[in-house]
Amino acid sequence: EIVLTQSPGTLSLSPGERATLSCRASQSVSSNYFAWYQQKPGQAPRLLIYGASSRATGIPDRFSGSGSGTDFTLTISRLEPEDSAVYYCQQYAGFLCSFGQGTKLEIK
Amino acid sequence: QMQLVQSGAEVKKPGSSVKVACKASGGTFSNSAINWVRQAPGQGLEWMGRIIPSLDIPNYAQKFQGTVTITADKSTSTAYLELSSLRSEDTAVYYCAKNPGVWGQGTLVTVSS
Repeated sequence: EIVLTQSPGTLSLSPGERATLSCRASQSVSSNYFAWYQQKPGQAPRLLIYGASSRATGIPDRFSGSGSGTDFTLTISRLEPEDSAVYYCQQYAGFLCSFGQGTKLEIK
Repeated sequence: QMQLVQSGAEVKKPGSSVKVACKASGGTFSNSAINWVRQAPGQGLEWMGRIIPSLDIPNYAQKFQGTVTITADKSTSTAYLELSSLRSEDTAVYYCAKNPGVWGQGTLVTVSS
């Protein structure tokens, strides 16, 4: 079972700043099956990035994903107040799937 | 694009069972891996298992082996998650999902005496 570890646990930034969220896998993950989600209270997760770097439909270009192997990054440039949420990484290669524990992004 | 609609909230007594439904429309249900994800109050997303209806062989996360049952009915394009011997710790929102990015609305299961 692949364990995904996200860092930091909490990130507090101001509007207009840049956020860098990290996700490290316990073993190499295929980029084709790596995704990032945003979740706000009371809502289902929303897909931001799939295939490690492809933006989902309707996602602003402020959101970008990168990485391969065991290290992946979600970057949010020019933070806006509505970006306040919990962000999860996910891998779904093979028969099993796993999520990181989440990074809480607070906008000051 | 597939859409997933889940059954409504449930309140159950400890020791009882519950079966949550996830009905798919659009897309190809039989060949799609339908996953179940748990989110306990204030906690993160936890993958429980999945099934590909055409294969009818579920895969489970080690943590949930033996405690949950995932099935699918191709005739109604519906996947099911059954939880037995419920405990208060099973209180959570349960989501079905097709990777990447297609999620049901979630079903709140509350276990309380």
